[in-house]
Amino acid sequence: GESVGLHLPTLSVQEGDNSIINCAYSNSASDYFIWYKQESGKGPQFIIDIRSNMDKRQGQRVTVLLNKTVKHLSLQIAATQPGDSAVYFCAEKVEGAQKLVFGQGTRLTINP
Amino acid sequence: ETGVTQSPTHLIKTRGQQVTLRCSSQSGHNTVSWYQQALGQGPQFIFQYYREEENGRGNFPPRFSGLQFPNYSSELNVNALELDDSALYLCASNQGGVQNTEAFFGQGTRLTVV
Repeated sequence: GESVGLHLPTLSVQEGDNSIINCAYSNSASDYFIWYKQESGKGPQFIIDIRSNMDKRQGQRVTVLLNKTVKHLSLQIAATQPGDSAVYFCAEKVEGAQKLVFGQGTRLTINP
Repeated sequence: ETGVTQSPTHLIKTRGQQVTLRCSSQSGHNTVSWYQQALGQGPQFIFQYYREEENGRGNFPPRFSGLQFPNYSSELNVNALELDDSALYLCASNQGGVQNTEAFFGQGTRLTVV
């Protein structure tokens, strides 16, 4: 995968505002997508997934949008809270394949 | 908590040594995948085990090897450690088969090679 080093894309939002994190995925054959949240010192935590036969899926305070035409995935977090501060990764997978391919990650910071 | 547990949580090894990392999968999951996450990067797929057999491998040399046991727990072994092997090693489990299912990650093992 592409090396980002320590210079992760960052997004800063005010507490209570909505956040949108974007991801461009690489494989047009991918048909399953997941968003993960990773807090410092912890493993990735599953947030929400979506299959390629859908373009939108909603969870609790989160919505994932999928645009297969431009290979774009987004995660919307409503009414952000301090606990939402973390690095967010999108991951893609092809049906029948074994591996998840992770994007570069976005660091979300919530300002009080 | 995901129910996926890894041990140890932290480890320091010397270059050239060998290391074994362990993972207990979530109850009901028969598939375990291992990932390497270097600082500031996304996880990179090492390999996957399904019903005790290796079921896919990423771009890692043969000195990275693994096992899966009948209870679906798994080990990752790394021989001849190099400085660049320093990373967070993550284990993920899911219910394998035809249908993709969400993978749940453990908290990881932080390996430092000096």
